[in-house]
Amino acid sequence: DAMVIQNPRYQVTQFGKPVTLSCSQTLNHNVMYWYQQKSSQAPKLLFHYYDKDFNNEADTPDNFQSRRPNTSFCFLDIRSPGLGDAAMYLCATSSGQGGYEQYFGPGTRLTVT
Amino acid sequence: GESVGLHLPTLSVQEGDNSIINCAYSNSASDYFIWYKQESGKGPQFIIDIRSNMDKRQGQRVTVLLNKTVKHLSLQIAATQPGDSAVYFCAEYGQNFVFGPGTRLSVLP
Repeated sequence: DAMVIQNPRYQVTQFGKPVTLSCSQTLNHNVMYWYQQKSSQAPKLLFHYYDKDFNNEADTPDNFQSRRPNTSFCFLDIRSPGLGDAAMYLCATSSGQGGYEQYFGPGTRLTVT
Repeated sequence: GESVGLHLPTLSVQEGDNSIINCAYSNSASDYFIWYKQESGKGPQFIIDIRSNMDKRQGQRVTVLLNKTVKHLSLQIAATQPGDSAVYFCAEYGQNFVFGPGTRLSVLP
């Protein structure tokens, strides 16, 4: 089945130690998104790629970076994780930018110790 | 660790009753809206969508109503089942997707 895959599902990192979260998709969608979701809160968009065109939300901290080496893969890099970065990180894809359904992966829960 | 989260509004309904979940959106220029269901430990799952040129759309057991005058969106679930228990988010698309705060639906036996 076509899907959005996130690895790992659970990630523990130390305060200040860089960490990378991975997302892959078999849907061949043009757009890939990264969201941060904290407990009992709505997902918050960090950035998205339309093909190779990177779009950063204005309030996304510089500590968060992203890479999309090809259509199928997208990575979220947290350069120096703080305790406040502990959250669920959701990857999503859509076939176009704008009013198109987003397909979400299962998320990676990040713990910062 | 994580900052303390907000308490989600909760809607409790009896199994078999109809549920109505409401959402106020913020951007009058938003032209596309989605309802998502999120079960514990999973990513959001698409339920139904509606574009701004419509005021009602029906799916299987679900109906979305859009009132652009008051910027209000609702999700109606008919004959609510235990498997419907989850957090429901509305999302609006103006320049980007923005999610509403979410409502926890609890189905009572």
